[in-house]
This record gives sequence, structure tokens and C-alpha cells, in this order.
Amino acid sequence: GQNIDQPTEMTATEGAIVQINCTYQTSGFNGLFWYQQHAGEAPTFLSYNVLDGLEEKGRFSSFLSRSKGYSYLLLKELQMKDSASYLCAVKDSNYQLIWGAGTKLIIKP
Amino acid sequence: NAGVTQTPKFRVLKTGQSMTLLCAQDMNHEYMYWYRQDPGMGLRLIHYSVGEGTTAKGEVPDGYNVSRLKKQNFLLGLESAAPSQTSVYFCASAAGETGELFFGEGSRLTVL
Repeated sequence: GQNIDQPTEMTATEGAIVQINCTYQTSGFNGLFWYQQHAGEAPTFLSYNVLDGLEEKGRFSSFLSRSKGYSYLLLKELQMKDSASYLCAVKDSNYQLIWGAGTKLIIKP
Repeated sequence: NAGVTQTPKFRVLKTGQSMTLLCAQDMNHEYMYWYRQDPGMGLRLIHYSVGEGTTAKGEVPDGYNVSRLKKQNFLLGLESAAPSQTSVYFCASAAGETGELFFGEGSRLTVL
């Protein structure tokens, strides 16, 4: 079967750095997405990786290793507004998105 | 900048009642999707459409029907609601099969 694994919950301190990991087992690979979802709101797009390596976008970076079936989202200079759930999703060989259950990130002052 | 709009935002139904959720997008996207989101689970695809007049089943289609008569609209119907359909429903659209998804604000449905 297809599976996306990410930690259920993480806690970090304002101003610090946090890394949220995602491992996947899918039938084929056509890209990996990270979305942010604040409580009670819709998911919003953060990043897209289709080739190995690091993609940087401001305070957020996303890394992909296709051979290891692994990605991480790195958040720097954490702010209270970064408290949210972070969803990892992979497009399989049929271009269908397989979603992880999400990682709830709690930021403490 | 409307983007993707869902109506209604909240609804309470009794078991056996029917209802329709409406999704409208103004970005001229070809692809549209209906997901449900339940606690502790990833988003699950109910049905999707790759263009006007087309629909296809997703991971959890049972108990739901959809229609895409106009490119900008994607309707999700529940013919006979069941408590197991209590969930938050998200509509999303994308320009292509590799593009990012744009989500509506969600519709919270409770079936008693």
C-alpha cells in the first residue's frame, strides 16, 4: 500500500529552528508537496520538490531524497504564527496526491 | 480575489437527509477535487474532475456523487447522509496535474 509518515506533534521555541520529517512509500513519484494548515482553516501551499536537494523560500526550506523516500521541511526563526499543522503529500505514478496525517507544530514563547 | 469558494460553510443534517455542497473557482482551473478531512487522518480524496463534464472516483467515493456541468463549478452530493459522513469537506482546484492545489475554506458537516 501507499503510506506517508510524519510525526504527529512537535514543539519548538520562538526564534529557534525546527525540522519536520516526512517518509513515504508510494507507487511511483511525481513530486512532493508541503502545505501549512492553521486550525480551522484551509491548507495553503508551501513548497514543491521533484528533484533531489534543497529548495529554499525565505524562512522555509524543503529537502528531498528520492532514493531514501524522505523529505523534510525546515522552519527557521520561528514565529508564533508558525503554529499550525504541516501536511506532507506525494504525487504517485497516477498523479494522485497521497497525504500524510500532518504534523501539529506548537510554538512556545 | 475569490479563488475557491465553498457553500455552505456549516450544515447539520439528520441521518437519511440529502444535501449538496457547491464549490466555485474563478481561476479557470481544469482540475477540481473534493476531499474530506477527519481527525488523525490525512486528506482523503472523494471524487475529482479533470475538466468540464468529466468526473472520476477517488479513494472514498461511496455515498457521494459529483457533477461538473460548468468548468468553474464542482458539486458534491450526499444522497442519504450517514453519521460516518460527519467531517470537514474541502474543495480544491489546480491548473494541471502537477500544479499546486488551491483550497476552499472548508465545509463542516455534522450528521446526527
